[in-house]
Amino acid sequence: AQSVTQPDIHITVSEGASLELRCNYSYGATPYLFWYVQSPGQGLQLLLKYFSGDTLVQGIKGFEAEFKRSQSSFNLRKPSVHWSDAAEYFCAVGPERNDMRFGAGTRLTVKP
Amino acid sequence: GAGVSQSPSNKVTEKGKDVELRCDPISGHTALYWYRQSLGQGLEFLIYFQGNSAPDKSGLPSDRFSAERTGGSVSTLTIQRTQQEDSAVYLCASSPDPSSYEQYFGPGTRLTVT
Repeated sequence: AQSVTQPDIHITVSEGASLELRCNYSYGATPYLFWYVQSPGQGLQLLLKYFSGDTLVQGIKGFEAEFKRSQSSFNLRKPSVHWSDAAEYFCAVGPERNDMRFGAGTRLTVKP
Repeated sequence: GAGVSQSPSNKVTEKGKDVELRCDPISGHTALYWYRQSLGQGLEFLIYFQGNSAPDKSGLPSDRFSAERTGGSVSTLTIQRTQQEDSAVYLCASSPDPSSYEQYFGPGTRLTVT
């Protein structure tokens, strides 16, 4: 069965600094991979997704992620973090719409 | 347009009581999902509705949990004889068609069982 691991529970970065959030997955075939963001009191919003093709995918709000099959990873990056990026970030993997597995999340704090 | 809405936003109930949580998906979306988000945990899939097909209930943790979707639109998640371990945020999401993986989430209902 597929699974997702987000090794970092909490990350703090300074505003303007670069960001990388880690995601490792376990799945036998090529997975469908997603990153969602959840702001306080809000539902999850899709940032980006990978199904196939170019392994570097661009998302909304200036985020990008790179699929690395050899490392079973799908890390999320942003070159310059803004204070409004403070939120909880979830990685998800799924071959099936109703069998998507979400990681436990990484909480991002942005220092002024 | 309007997004997914859920009500109530917060619910506090006593152990042993029944609760009903409501989800209004985006109009025209055929797929609807319920998830549970416990503190420090990822999202746990509960149930999936797709059109008029029989729902996928494989994620429901016990027979105290049930859900229905009326008229292919509004859905209600019911938890009977609530337990303290049911305390969590319950999220609903809808999706426009069977081939889409893009789920649109509501703000959730925070359930606290005392």
